[in-house]
Amino acid sequence: DAKTTQPNSMESNEEEPVHLPCNHSTISGTDYIHWYRQLPSQGPEYVIHGLTSNVNNRMASLAIAEDRKSSTLILHRATLRDAAVYYCILRDAWTYKYIFGTGTRLKVLA
Amino acid sequence: DVKVTQSSRYLVKRTGEKVFLECVQDMDHENMFWYRQDPGLGLRLIYFSYDVKMKEKGDIPEGYSVSREKKERFSLILESASTNQTSMYLCASSRSGATNEKLFFGSGTQLSVL
Repeated sequence: DAKTTQPNSMESNEEEPVHLPCNHSTISGTDYIHWYRQLPSQGPEYVIHGLTSNVNNRMASLAIAEDRKSSTLILHRATLRDAAVYYCILRDAWTYKYIFGTGTRLKVLA
Repeated sequence: DVKVTQSSRYLVKRTGEKVFLECVQDMDHENMFWYRQDPGLGLRLIYFSYDVKMKEKGDIPEGYSVSREKKERFSLILESASTNQTSMYLCASSRSGATNEKLFFGSGTQLSVL
């Protein structure tokens, strides 16, 4: 199974951009890169996903390296409500599994 | 809106009891998953099902079994609960096996085994 590696924790000031990195050096050609976040006392929720090109939606942007071995989730203006654990995930095309790492705990400072 | 519903938010059981955790999705999704979440260990896959009556072991299936008799319902069974099964259990579903499909989670069941 391909693996993802993320920093355990990061801090950001409110209303500043946040760049959350993820390494996935063993990614295969058909694996989409997904990002989810888990707010306190809730199940994870979808944020964004992509294959090769950078992606934008109302929540965030996803920047994918040209070799696809790493990606960065970008929150353009962090708010206190963005404090959560962010997971970078791959889905294995052969086993149907979603492969979770341990995630990055984002702390947003007022 | 898409919904994955887990039957209990909190559950307290005694060691040796048989425990059923129920999960229902209303999106006609093919794939369903059970994860457990423990501090410092992230989410670990217990079992998943890619179709009715089909199941596959995940990374930590020992001590668990599952049942999927209907498409919308996926049950996790602890045959004889033990204290090391105290954990947060999360159910999830996705529409199909494609790698770009989103995963939808329930709110979780915090199980305590005493």
